Amino acid sequence: NAGVTQTPKFRILKIGQSMTLQCAQDMNHNYMYWYRQDPGMGLKLIYYSVGAGITDKGEVPNGYNVSRSTTEDFPLRLELAAPSQTSVYFCASSPGSDTQYFGPGTRLTVL
Amino acid sequence: TQLLEQSPQFLSIQEGENLTVYCNSSSVFSSLQWYRQEPGEGPVLLVTVVTGGEVKKLKRLTFQFGDARKDSSLHITAAQPGDTGLYLCAGPKYNFNKFYFGSGTKLNVKP
Repeated sequence: NAGVTQTPKFRILKIGQSMTLQCAQDMNHNYMYWYRQDPGMGLKLIYYSVGAGITDKGEVPNGYNVSRSTTEDFPLRLELAAPSQTSVYFCASSPGSDTQYFGPGTRLTVL
Repeated sequence: TQLLEQSPQFLSIQEGENLTVYCNSSSVFSSLQWYRQEPGEGPVLLVTVVTGGEVKKLKRLTFQFGDARKDSSLHITAAQPGDTGLYLCAGPKYNFNKFYFGSGTKLNVKP
């Protein structure tokens, strides 16, 4: 049982480049989330999904896009990367509106 | 502005001491969660409190949810170096799927 997996672990982007952060879970959870965590801070919700085909904005969605074509996968797309998007990105899944299981994170630097 | 304010921001204590960290809001939450995060890893859920006035114990950790469901506290008795980490509170707001995190309390327990 792998839980929540995220790839890549680290990435450096140049300003204006695009990339997709991958997130997968094997627990058959309907709820999935994307957060960003800036140094010394808590987590801020970027987007979330309550099931395949359903996504909604969180607290800080600008500059990001998501899709949820399957229960297992919830990729996060960055278009036109900016230095302000330098952060650690965490994906999480949940069977309901309660316990969230987090992945190990992707550390992204935009130069 | 943060929906959930945590204090103190940093705490450095000796092994064996007791400590309390606080999570406060001006808003009512249906539930609050406490997570612990170690460097380079995702947060791990410690407890969820759902009833005003509720007290939950997890070995040396005691969690309390305020009567008005606007605040919570985490008390650690006889802290150990293994308790070192970032403690985060979080709760759902506006709908049960949007989670807001506090900025965290960074705890360092010295041997």
